[in-house]
Order: sequence, then C-alpha cells, then structure tokens
Amino acid sequence: DTEVTQTPKHLVMGMTNKKSLKCEQHMGHRAMYWYKQKAKKPPELMFVYSYEKLSINESVPSRFSPECPNSSLLNLHLHALQPEDSALYLCASSQTRTSGSGPEQYFGPGTRLTVT
Amino acid sequence: QKEVEQNSGPLSVPEGAIASLNCTYSDRVSQSFFWYRQYSGKSPELIMSIYSNGDKEDGRFTAQLNKASQYVSLLIRDSQPSDSATYLCAVKHSSGSARQLTFGSGTQLTVLP
Repeated sequence: DTEVTQTPKHLVMGMTNKKSLKCEQHMGHRAMYWYKQKAKKPPELMFVYSYEKLSINESVPSRFSPECPNSSLLNLHLHALQPEDSALYLCASSQTRTSGSGPEQYFGPGTRLTVT
Repeated sequence: QKEVEQNSGPLSVPEGAIASLNCTYSDRVSQSFFWYRQYSGKSPELIMSIYSNGDKEDGRFTAQLNKASQYVSLLIRDSQPSDSATYLCAVKHSSGSARQLTFGSGTQLTVLP
C-alpha cells in the first residue's frame, strides 16, 4: 500500500482565518514532508519530520506551523495567510535511509489552498 | 547550489512513438534519481527510481543513468495520449540532509493521437 491521504482536497480561507491541513500514511514510513507547489513550478520543500521530530524547516514563515502527532499523521496549521500563499500543498512520506540508494518519496493527492 | 536541469518543453510526440525526457544535475556525488509524473491539477506520482549506471526498465518506461556525464533520462516507448503530463526529475544529493530531493522544473509532454 503506497497511499498517502490528505484532507481537505480543497480549502478556501480568508486572511484572518485559522485552518489545518491533515496528512496520513500507513506505510510504516518514519519521514514525512510538507511541500508547496505553485502552478507550473516544481514542488518546494517546506518541512521534514523524521521520527516525529522536525528535522528541516526551509525558512518557512511562522504563519505555517507543522505538527507531527504520531508516526502516521502530519498536520500543517495555517494562520494569517496571504493571497500569495495560495498553492497546492503536498504531503509526502518515505523511509528514513540516510545513505545508499533511495529512499523513494510518495506524495499524497494534495490540498488546493486558496487564500482570499 | 545543487541544480537539476530539464528541458521545459513542451515536447510533443505522436502516439506510438518513443518520448525521450532528459535531465542533468550538478552535484557529481548524487546517489539516487527519480522520475515523477504529474497530471495537470494532480500530485506527483513516482514512476521510476534508478541508482546505478545503465538502464532500468519497467514496462514501457526505461530510465537511463550516466553518472560520469551527470545525466539521467526517461524513455517512454509506445507513447499513449494518457502519458501526456509533466515529468519531474528529482535527485537525492549525498550532502546535507539525505532525505532532501532537488526537483527539476519539469518537462511537459504531449502525446498526439
């Protein structure tokens, strides 16, 4: 089973709202990722969690707050976003090999976020 | 700066032809290479991974890796209209976080019926 699920599929929020994106995987992976993807651009890494601990924060503004409650779940809390934050937000997971080949990252279907 | 370069296209091929997608990378000691397919409005789907020099075949897809030339390619045989998508090349580097990938900008492929 190479499935990563994300909810919601679509989200429209105002600049003063607080919302959360959710991601879940049941592949036994211990690394999980948040990416942001704008139209016609490649995915842009935001955060990496390894064994439920934040290991990479790619200088993401504090209005994005990640959380990893357990090894299967990853959340992204959103607050006071700007219209330019509108994008496809992708969750991915992988094994945690740090040397040699791989690991393959598997993406969820994404959440299409629109900030009005 | 670790870079991954792809021809942005668009690349158009007739149905049944071979589509050839190319990718070069700057970090000489990169170890792992991936091809993702992304349909418009959808998320990237992993279709091939390759780690050793040479060819790796999976159905109609063949990935080719040449580490000396820092070049990785994806061949799609007997192209079908359903192969029309953007293909992203991704490279895992040896330094920094071993879990980080660098993506190319993607090549948009159109297979004409």
